[in-house]
Amino acid sequence: QKEVEQNSGPLSVPEGAIASLNCTYSDRGSQSFFWYRQYSGKSPELIMFIYSNGDKEDGRFTAQLNKASQYVSLLIRDSQPSDSATYLCAANGGATNKLIFGTGTLLAVQP
Amino acid sequence: DTEVTQTPKHLVMGMTNKKSLKCEQHMGHRAMYWYKQKAKKPPELMFVYSYEKLSINESVPSRFSPECPNSSLLNLHLHALQPEDSALYLCASSPPPAGYGYTFGSGTRLTVV
Repeated sequence: QKEVEQNSGPLSVPEGAIASLNCTYSDRGSQSFFWYRQYSGKSPELIMFIYSNGDKEDGRFTAQLNKASQYVSLLIRDSQPSDSATYLCAANGGATNKLIFGTGTLLAVQP
Repeated sequence: DTEVTQTPKHLVMGMTNKKSLKCEQHMGHRAMYWYKQKAKKPPELMFVYSYEKLSINESVPSRFSPECPNSSLLNLHLHALQPEDSALYLCASSPPPAGYGYTFGSGTRLTVV
């Protein structure tokens, strides 16, 4: 069973702090990895994707990938209350069109 | 605004009703997906269409019937649903393969009574 695992949280951080979200995956054939943000009652929104080992930065967001450890993370700098949401990690299922989602981590940024 | 449009946004149907969910995208994507999401759970894949052909059916009950009339449209026909089928139904699209990630529509909130 190909899996993507996340800590369900909630992860509580104060406003202005760095939020660190983590994800592991089991399928070594996965090539690309995604972070989606989902507000309660809304649909998932793609915020970051990463294909290569190392870091990828976009504004306040940094995605990190370590294929040897099968580990993906998302850092959110200067966290804002508007960042409070569930963050879904996903991996592509090898050569298929499937994305395999983790169970999501609920982030709560305290003002 | 999302580039994947789903209608209706909300739907209440009885267990004997027949209804359809509609999804439309104009991004030139050739793969389209239906997902089901229950509260506090991740999206659960139902169907994948690639180049208008059904490529993945995740053992979904036959009371859900997908249809892809053309490369921009995806329908989900519903018949004789159960209350436990109440969920958020999400449509997504991507350029196949899914290595670039999906773009999700805003979803249809379905309640079966």
